[in-house]
Amino acid sequence: DAGVIQSPRHEVTEMGQEVTLRCKPISGHNSLFWYRQTMMRGLELLIYFNNNVPIDDSGMPEDRFSAKMPNASFSTLKIQPSEPRDSAVYFCASSLVGGAPTGELFFGEGSRLTVL
Amino acid sequence: KQEVTQIPAALSVPEGENLVLNCSFTDSAIYNLQWFRQDPGKGLTSLLLIQSSQREQTSGRLNASLDKSSGRSTLYIAASQPGDSATYLCAVRTGGSQGNLIFGKGTKLSVKP
Repeated sequence: DAGVIQSPRHEVTEMGQEVTLRCKPISGHNSLFWYRQTMMRGLELLIYFNNNVPIDDSGMPEDRFSAKMPNASFSTLKIQPSEPRDSAVYFCASSLVGGAPTGELFFGEGSRLTVL
Repeated sequence: KQEVTQIPAALSVPEGENLVLNCSFTDSAIYNLQWFRQDPGKGLTSLLLIQSSQREQTSGRLNASLDKSSGRSTLYIAASQPGDSATYLCAVRTGGSQGNLIFGKGTKLSVKP
């Protein structure tokens, strides 16, 4: 299996621009998580989906952030408009709920975002 | 609210030493606990997963234990090697099998040759 695939790996943009991050979970997994990692705050959960349905989006910083999962094999995280404080590494992770071992989480390589 | 703490934040040991990394959590009602390794500029690699009903898991030189009642987990690394240098994170899953994972801030391990 190719693992969790994220794109782009690196993104540099200017303040005010729209940013779209993409994720392809491991085939057959039914849970998908978006995390943000910074030196100051560590790993923070932004949102997670079970069976393509958002379960908890309380970690989404504000209305500038939105996430979608139109099908079991694709998710996007969009920031519009972007701000310098959004600069971080954004990770996507997936897991299989109900399988064995239940709930083991697998991460992608991350998307490093720099907003100038 | 579940909180996960990892102490120490950083650790430096000579090659060959056995070592223990600590993880504590405030709410014992967890579904499982997972240990990860993160190399600089990389994603997180799953090392060990312990279900709430288990006491420990082993993989090669790694052994993770879980004591739910005291809210603690340890990751034991035997005969450390320079290649073990990385940041180690623990995460607890709350809210059942479909719940969220709460992460600690990690312990940065450096193994000196």
